[in-house]
Amino acid sequence: KAGVTQTPRYLIKTRGQQVTLSCSPISGHRSVSWYQQTPGQGLQFLFEYFSETQRNKGNFPGRFSGRQFSNSRSEMNVSTLELGDSALYLCASSGGAIGGELFFGEGSRLTVL
Amino acid sequence: AQSVTQLGSHVSVSEGALVLLRCNYSSSVPPYLFWYVQYPNQGLQLLLKYTTGATLVKGINGFEAEFKKSETSFHLTKPSAHMSDAAEYFCAVSGDFFSSGSARQLTFGSGTQLTVLP
Repeated sequence: KAGVTQTPRYLIKTRGQQVTLSCSPISGHRSVSWYQQTPGQGLQFLFEYFSETQRNKGNFPGRFSGRQFSNSRSEMNVSTLELGDSALYLCASSGGAIGGELFFGEGSRLTVL
Repeated sequence: AQSVTQLGSHVSVSEGALVLLRCNYSSSVPPYLFWYVQYPNQGLQLLLKYTTGATLVKGINGFEAEFKKSETSFHLTKPSAHMSDAAEYFCAVSGDFFSSGSARQLTFGSGTQLTVLP
């Protein structure tokens, strides 16, 4: 059973640009969550999508957005990049059960110059 | 709202020694608790989780954790450390549906970097 796949694994952008990250969940999983990981702030919840609907959003500015497609694949977008957006962005999928395990991808490491 | 506190951002143990990583949580509802491990340049892997039932939870790679409601703790232990255990460990609590809108949202602790000395 294939795991969670995130693309690209590494990318470098400059301030002001935008970026789109992709996540393919485990087959059959309908919930996709995104987390930002930085040395200073640790792991912070960005948002969760379930059956194409955003169920919850963390405390991030509107420059951070996401969507989920009918096949459960998800994308997140960050516009007008800032230096502080440099981070590892992790995607996690789950079957949707309360208390169920989140399966994480290897992440997309974004560097903003 | 939930929160998680991991005591000790860095822990060093000798190979073969006991591993003890501390986690305390705050939750307004009965929590679901998790321990994840992260190796360099990788995502997070679930070690074990507590939902309901038995308070001593066994996970992968010989790790276990005990849920103590009276102490609001969920410490992670392993009787004998192995070099391959060197990694960063995260304790997490699941979201309170009524306050966050999603019981699947995890709140993570700040992590504990485990070093295993030969």
